Amino acid sequence: SQQGEEDPQALSIQEGENATMNCSYKTSINNLQWYRQNSGRGLVHLILIRSNEREKHSGRLRVTLDTSKKSSSLLITASRAADTASYFCATGPGEGAQKLVFGQGTRLTINP
Amino acid sequence: SQTIHQWPATLVQPVGSPLSLECTVEGTSNPNLYWYRQAAGRGLQLLFYSVGIGQISSEVPQNLSASRPQDRQFILSSKKLLLSDSGFYLCAWSKDRTSPAFFGQGTRLTVV
Repeated sequence: SQQGEEDPQALSIQEGENATMNCSYKTSINNLQWYRQNSGRGLVHLILIRSNEREKHSGRLRVTLDTSKKSSSLLITASRAADTASYFCATGPGEGAQKLVFGQGTRLTINP
Repeated sequence: SQTIHQWPATLVQPVGSPLSLECTVEGTSNPNLYWYRQAAGRGLQLLFYSVGIGQISSEVPQNLSASRPQDRQFILSSKKLLLSDSGFYLCAWSKDRTSPAFFGQGTRLTVV
């Protein structure tokens, strides 16, 4: 079963604009992670935010987490054509489980 | 540093033939190991995960099985492939449930 659900499913913006993707989940979590996948490749870990954190930054990436709403957002600022990829959120479980469960992903296209 | 190797990159197999995909991790011990499958344009479906040698958890009933004969080796198998087994298979490892996962480059399996 899917835990994270990304929104929107697809997003197309102009280079230089900011891109925001959202993720909702259902059960308790230890952490939430964002990954990037270029077409036909493996996933690359971008950022991990723990359940007791509200915001985290890494370069042009900003992630927020609202555990009361069971949601997270990923903001990519000043987008570049090279940011074109699919982005997935994944939830690291709370107590008693080890599995990392992914959502369906957001396909981001940056137009030059 | 840790690395993950997954092979082969692509595989075309006839229906009814056996399957063996191998994944090995270097540079760490007692990792959590995962097998995911990704249908075209979709999210990742967790197939199996393992927290230790000989410990396999299956997430969905299917035609596949997994084994962990050594600490850093994870094998995905099938005795008889079905057309529906086609997809992109990804192996991943993480230190534990609170840590990021690192992915192999994936195996594109086409059953014909």
